[in-house]
Amino acid sequence: AQRVTQPEKLLSVFKGAPVELKCNYSYSGSPELFWYVQYSRQRLQLLLRHISRESIKGFTADLNKGETSFHLKKPFAQEEDSAMYYCALMRNTGFQKLVFGTGTRLLVSP
Amino acid sequence: DGGITQSPKYLFRKEGQNVTLSCEQNLNHDAMYWYRQDPGQGLRLIYYSQIVNDFQKGDIAEGYSVSREKKESFPLTVTSAQKNPTAFYLCASSGRTGGGNEQFFGPGTRLTVL
Repeated sequence: AQRVTQPEKLLSVFKGAPVELKCNYSYSGSPELFWYVQYSRQRLQLLLRHISRESIKGFTADLNKGETSFHLKKPFAQEEDSAMYYCALMRNTGFQKLVFGTGTRLLVSP
Repeated sequence: DGGITQSPKYLFRKEGQNVTLSCEQNLNHDAMYWYRQDPGQGLRLIYYSQIVNDFQKGDIAEGYSVSREKKESFPLTVTSAQKNPTAFYLCASSGRTGGGNEQFFGPGTRLTVL
């Protein structure tokens, strides 16, 4: 069975500090991993996906198959990064359902 | 914003009543989904539909029903059999082709049982 674990419910940092939101997964195949973000009063939206290998809003995430992790990182947090972040896994066989983690709330203080 | 719309934004229901949540998309997506979002539990899949006139149960389908008579529409009915229906409900859709299909989400409906 596929599972996504986000161990931190809340991560609180000061503006300018580095941020790392942890995500670990369990899946027997080669999954596709995503980070979704939900800003206050906005709808859930895709932040980035591992196959794109891109940086969005200064965030990056590297898929580590050995550690089965997909941590989200940003070197210098901004107040506007405060939001709810969800890590999600999509299996690469059969119908492509997303399995979400429980989410981490990031709070960036001035 | 367009794309996916959900109505109503807020919904109140008395115990024992069935209610239907609307979800419409104009993205020409084949696949549509319903999730339930509870604090500390993330998003859990209720039902999904790969194509018109077809739908499958997700992880927490008990007490819910859906229909997919049109490509654009995927309404969710919360029945009186759902033991704890108070939650935030999200609808999503995705294109059928391509790997890593992004799911696009609606603004959500907050259901409260009185």
